[in-house]
Amino acid sequence: QSALTQPASVSESPGQSITISCTGSSSDVGGYDLVSWYQQYPGKAPKLMIYDVNNRPSGVSNRFSGSKSGNTASLTISGLQADDEGDYYCCSYAGGATWVFGGGTKVSVL
Amino acid sequence: EVQLLDSGGGLVQPGGSLRLSCAASGFRFNTHAMMWVRQAPGKGLEWVSSITGRGGDTFYADSVKGRFSVSRDNSKDTLYLQMDSLRGEDTAIYYCARGKSEGAVDWFDPWGQGTLVTVSS
Repeated sequence: QSALTQPASVSESPGQSITISCTGSSSDVGGYDLVSWYQQYPGKAPKLMIYDVNNRPSGVSNRFSGSKSGNTASLTISGLQADDEGDYYCCSYAGGATWVFGGGTKVSVL
Repeated sequence: EVQLLDSGGGLVQPGGSLRLSCAASGFRFNTHAMMWVRQAPGKGLEWVSSITGRGGDTFYADSVKGRFSVSRDNSKDTLYLQMDSLRGEDTAIYYCARGKSEGAVDWFDPWGQGTLVTVSS
């Protein structure tokens, strides 16, 4: 149950786009279309942003999108806004009814 | 409105025990799997345990297997996590979260506000 690999931080100017990668293995990310993404503000609980690789829950902006290729999933945020600043975590099913998260990525809007 | 309210955290000595609770409201509790996720201070998220909607199946991360026990009381719409033989590395904020359906987790939504467990002498 090793954590998925995410970049520690990503920074970009308002209005630009960023992509956060989430790399695992064929035992987790590559083996199932059960990747989800969570946004977390400091001192707050995580919030679901993307589920099943590329689906947005009701109420989540269409500026957020997800994809997957092989053992790597990605979250793209387009039209970056100030309130997109926070930590983002990917999560994947890892077989045997277990789940694994990424180490988290801190997003900064310059 | 779907809500989860975590409680039961506190300061406990190494080797001690603690029971966390998660009170659910706003949805049919027994039709959803539930899980616990923790976050050590300044660190990332770690899945801890899951339980199916009827409580028939439970699952644990290797790091807590044999020490933690998840259960639920569907008559009270409440999820529990019994934590025994606590260690310093169990210090974290513990969140409960709802899964997709009775037998499938798939994603975690929503989350409780979290309850802090500190293991220290």
